[in-house]
Amino acid sequence: DAMVIQNPRYQVTQFGKPVTLSCSQTLNHNVMYWYQQKSSQAPKLLFHYYDKDFNNEADTPDNFQSRRPNTSFCFLDIRSPGLGDAAMYLCATSRLPQGGETQYFGPGTRLLVL
Amino acid sequence: KQEVTQIPAALSVPEGENLVLNCSFTDSAIYNLQWFRQDPGKGLTSLLLIQSSQREQTSGRLNASLDKSSGRSTLYIAASQPGDSATYLCAVSPIYGNKLVFGAGTILRVKS
Repeated sequence: DAMVIQNPRYQVTQFGKPVTLSCSQTLNHNVMYWYQQKSSQAPKLLFHYYDKDFNNEADTPDNFQSRRPNTSFCFLDIRSPGLGDAAMYLCATSRLPQGGETQYFGPGTRLLVL
Repeated sequence: KQEVTQIPAALSVPEGENLVLNCSFTDSAIYNLQWFRQDPGKGLTSLLLIQSSQREQTSGRLNASLDKSSGRSTLYIAASQPGDSATYLCAVSPIYGNKLVFGAGTILRVKS
């Protein structure tokens, strides 16, 4: 089945230690998104890629970076995680970056910062 | 700036009851509205998508309505079951782009 896969499902890191979260998709979608969802809060878009074109949200901290080496994979890098970065990180894909396009979400990676 | 609010924040009902979840948004210039389900510790599953030109969408026991002029949507769940227990989130997609703006969700518990 076509799907969005996130690895790992749970990630524990230390304060200030760089961490990378992975997302892959078999849907062959052009757009990949990263959302941050803190406990009991709404998911918040960090950035998205449309093909190789990177689109950062204005309020995304510089501490968060992303890479998309090919259509299938997208990575979220947190350069120096703080305690406030503990959250569920959701990856999503869509065919096109326009209204009306359904976004398909992965299972998420829960990040714990010690 | 678009803001999405969901009421109530949590809801507990006995099995078999019909229930309504509410979602309101501040900017009516939307392309569509989606309802998602999120199980504990899991990702999001899309339940229903309503285009701005539509009034409602139905899937099984779920019915979602949209009143763009008043900035409101409701998700109606008929004959609730314990398996319906989850967090339900609504999200709006603005006219331009595909940036979803989410509400914080309603945590639903259906007791057997």
